Amino acid sequence: NAGVTQTPKFQVLKTGQSMTLQCAQDMNHEYMSWYRQDPGMGLRLIHYSVGAGITDQGEVPNGYNVSRSTTEDFPLRLLSAAPSQTSVYFCASRTGVRETQYFGPGTRLLVL
Amino acid sequence: GESVGLHLPTLSVQEGDNSIINCAYSNSASDYFIWYKQESGKGPQFIIDIRSNMDKRQGQRVTVLLNKTVKHLSLQIAATQPGDSAVYFCAENHNDYKLSFGAGTTVTVRA
Repeated sequence: NAGVTQTPKFQVLKTGQSMTLQCAQDMNHEYMSWYRQDPGMGLRLIHYSVGAGITDQGEVPNGYNVSRSTTEDFPLRLLSAAPSQTSVYFCASRTGVRETQYFGPGTRLLVL
Repeated sequence: GESVGLHLPTLSVQEGDNSIINCAYSNSASDYFIWYKQESGKGPQFIIDIRSNMDKRQGQRVTVLLNKTVKHLSLQIAATQPGDSAVYFCAENHNDYKLSFGAGTTVTVRA
């Protein structure tokens, strides 16, 4: 098992550009989520999904879109990047609500 | 609103000593708690969890204690090693999908 994988590892964007952060898991987990991590803060939930075709907003969803067409993949889209979106983004997955959550290695995003 | 926090942002520990990392939570409805370890440049790694029907749970070199009366969670690491240097996060889950994370405690192990 590769676990949770994320691409790219690093990305630099200009304000207004769009991009998609990729996330995939090979553990057949129904639950997937996206978090952002900023210096001195814990992880904040952006969006989550409880299964293919089902997504919902987390704590900080503005500026981000998600879709879940397959169990394996959960991409995060930035429609028009802003400097406030400079952060480290983590994707995570688990089998259920009170089950171990596994994190990917993260994508470091810098928006200029 | 609910929040999960750690008492101290940093902790310096002598190699071989025991470490205690504390966490306070405010939502009395939380029923599942998790400790994560995050090394520099990596994603959080699951350490141990505990459900609200338990007071203590032990793993390999780690123990989590839950005091629901004062809404306090702690992680004890026995015989701390240099590889234990990392940021430690507690997280809580209260009856839905969302996990709330604290800001983290940076543990530095002195040789």
